[in-house]
Amino acid sequence: QSALTQPASVSGSPGQSITISCTGTSSDFGTSNSVSWYQQHPGKAPKLLTYNVSQRPSGVSDRFSGSKSGNTASLTISGLQAEDEADYYCNSYATPNRVFGGGTKVTVL
Amino acid sequence: QVQLVESGGGLVKPGGSLRLSCAASGFIFSDYYMSWIRQTPGKGLEWVSYIDYTSTSTYYADSVKGRFTISRDNAKNSLFLQMNSLRVEDTAVYFCARGYKADSYWGQGALVTVSS
Repeated sequence: QSALTQPASVSGSPGQSITISCTGTSSDFGTSNSVSWYQQHPGKAPKLLTYNVSQRPSGVSDRFSGSKSGNTASLTISGLQAEDEADYYCNSYATPNRVFGGGTKVTVL
Repeated sequence: QVQLVESGGGLVKPGGSLRLSCAASGFIFSDYYMSWIRQTPGKGLEWVSYIDYTSTSTYYADSVKGRFTISRDNAKNSLFLQMNSLRVEDTAVYFCARGYKADSYWGQGALVTVSS
């Protein structure tokens, strides 16, 4: 149950788009589309941004979009805003186990 | 609104035990799988365990298997995590979360510190 691999940090200017990758093995993702992404601000609980690869819960901005190709999942944040500065984590469910990525710190320049 | 409130955290010596509780409200508790997820200070998230609707099936990360036990009481809308044989590396904030493939709601967490 090794963590999924994410870049330690990604940065961008306001208004730009950035993409965070999340790489695992075939056993992490399998044929499952149960990939989710979370945003966490300092001292706060994580917030679900996307699930089932690309679905967004009610209330989550459409600036956040998820995708997956092979053993790599991605989260794209478009129209980057100051409030998007936070840590981001991917998660995969491959029956019956779950594994998180190591986290990516997003900095808005 | 959905609320999850953890309690029971604290300081414990290596080898000791602790029981975390999570009080749920604002949704039909018995309709959802529930999970425990932890975060070591300054580090990332680690899935710990999840339980199905009726406590029939439980699953654990290898790092806690055989030491931790997840349980629930649907009549009291409560989730529990019994932690035995605690190790220094179990020091973390423990979150209770709704779901098991993706966690739509999280509590604010309970800090567990394992230290001599």
